[in-house]
Amino acid sequence: QLQLQESGPGLVKSAATLSLTCTVSGETITSGYYWGWIRQPPGKGLEWVGSSYYSGNTYYNSSLKSRVTISIDPSQNQFSLKLTSVTAADTAVYYCARDRGIIDYRYRGLDVWGQGTTVTVSS
Amino acid sequence: EIVLTQSPVTLSLSPGERATLSCRASQSVSSSLVWYQQKPGQAPRLLIYDASKRATGIPARFSGSGSGTDFTLTISSLEPEDFAVYYCQQRSNWPLTFGQGTKVEIK
Repeated sequence: QLQLQESGPGLVKSAATLSLTCTVSGETITSGYYWGWIRQPPGKGLEWVGSSYYSGNTYYNSSLKSRVTISIDPSQNQFSLKLTSVTAADTAVYYCARDRGIIDYRYRGLDVWGQGTTVTVSS
Repeated sequence: EIVLTQSPVTLSLSPGERATLSCRASQSVSSSLVWYQQKPGQAPRLLIYDASKRATGIPARFSGSGSGTDFTLTISSLEPEDFAVYYCQQRSNWPLTFGQGTKVEIK
């Protein structure tokens, strides 16, 4: 059974770099899907951060593009998020998820999610 | 970027009533539209993919319809566990985008 688990510091200083890792178990990360990060500020809606395919295609939210990097480590079956120059506006619950993509001409959605990890940016 | 607009923002209903949620796209997304349910303190759960297909384990009271720019999520008879926030999302084109959510609350 596929499971995703986020890990990383819960507190990050303003102007520093936020680094999170998502560990994938129950499936090989090179099995052919996009792997993504989504965040949710307190009391607000879902915001897509970015998604990456193991072979190299990566897409980012344009509002974050200059500060965000998503990378995949097949040897560890993990993917990671780095967000530089963080501010209080980056305080959120961060989720990792599998994007099952298009199969048989049907878009299948983000079908498996991690439980989420809360990141607070402090001044 | 494709903008998804959900309405209403809040829907106040009683258990047993029918809920109708709307999601409108700023340009056609064909049928590449999915719906999620999120309860407080939990990760979102995939309900509907490809606009109208129920995900694994989703009860038949949940149904999706629409194509192009106008989509609807219907809950035929609300159960107590259905009171939550619902989001639509598209990946017809990158970037992937979410609607702002509709909260279904107990009247």
